[in-house]
Amino acid sequence: EAGVAQSPRYKIIEKRQSVAFWCNPISGHATLYWYQQILGQGPKLLIQFQNNGVVDDSQLPKDRFSAERLKGVDSTLKIQPAKLEDSAVYLCASSHILIRVGRNSPLHFGNGTRLTVT
Amino acid sequence: DQQVKQNSPSLSVQEGRISILNCDYTNSMFDYFLWYKKYPAEGPTFLISISSIKDKNEDGRFTVFLNKSAKHLSLHIVPSQPGDSAVYFCAVNTNAGKSTFGDGTTLTVKP
Repeated sequence: EAGVAQSPRYKIIEKRQSVAFWCNPISGHATLYWYQQILGQGPKLLIQFQNNGVVDDSQLPKDRFSAERLKGVDSTLKIQPAKLEDSAVYLCASSHILIRVGRNSPLHFGNGTRLTVT
Repeated sequence: DQQVKQNSPSLSVQEGRISILNCDYTNSMFDYFLWYKKYPAEGPTFLISISSIKDKNEDGRFTVFLNKSAKHLSLHIVPSQPGDSAVYFCAVNTNAGKSTFGDGTTLTVKP
């Protein structure tokens, strides 16, 4: 099966600019996640979708970050305006799991987008 | 407060020997635990998992042990190979399918 696709692979922007990342999950995966991984740390969940609805966005800095998954398939994550501390790898992941079915499904990650804010 | 802790940022072992990576968690209600492996410039990939109803799960050279009373799990790799050199993340699945990760341990296996 094709894996999780993300683009771009790298992005360099100046602070206060905006940026967008795109993710196409594995076909048939109902649940999609965006994680932020700062150098030296583990991935931190930003937002979780099930189909096209938001399940958890409690850790998303909503004053500058937004995400959508309009048709329940691919998703975009946007940052506007960017800050220096947003420099990180942004990972998209998907899984089979449906919330009411169970929670024992591993995540399938894309290769991420490395964002550098100068 | 971190719910999942990997206290060793790095580990170096000789090829053929055992690698033991450790992970501690804080919430006794967690009931499903996973290990992911990450190579540079790639996303994490799922390696092995264990449910809280078990204390051991084995898959080839990889074995995960769970000690619920100590809230501790470990990953054993035997024998270690140079291709195992990577960052290993411990993760717990919480309610609603959310995964919380530790900060990782960088394993280096020397030929």
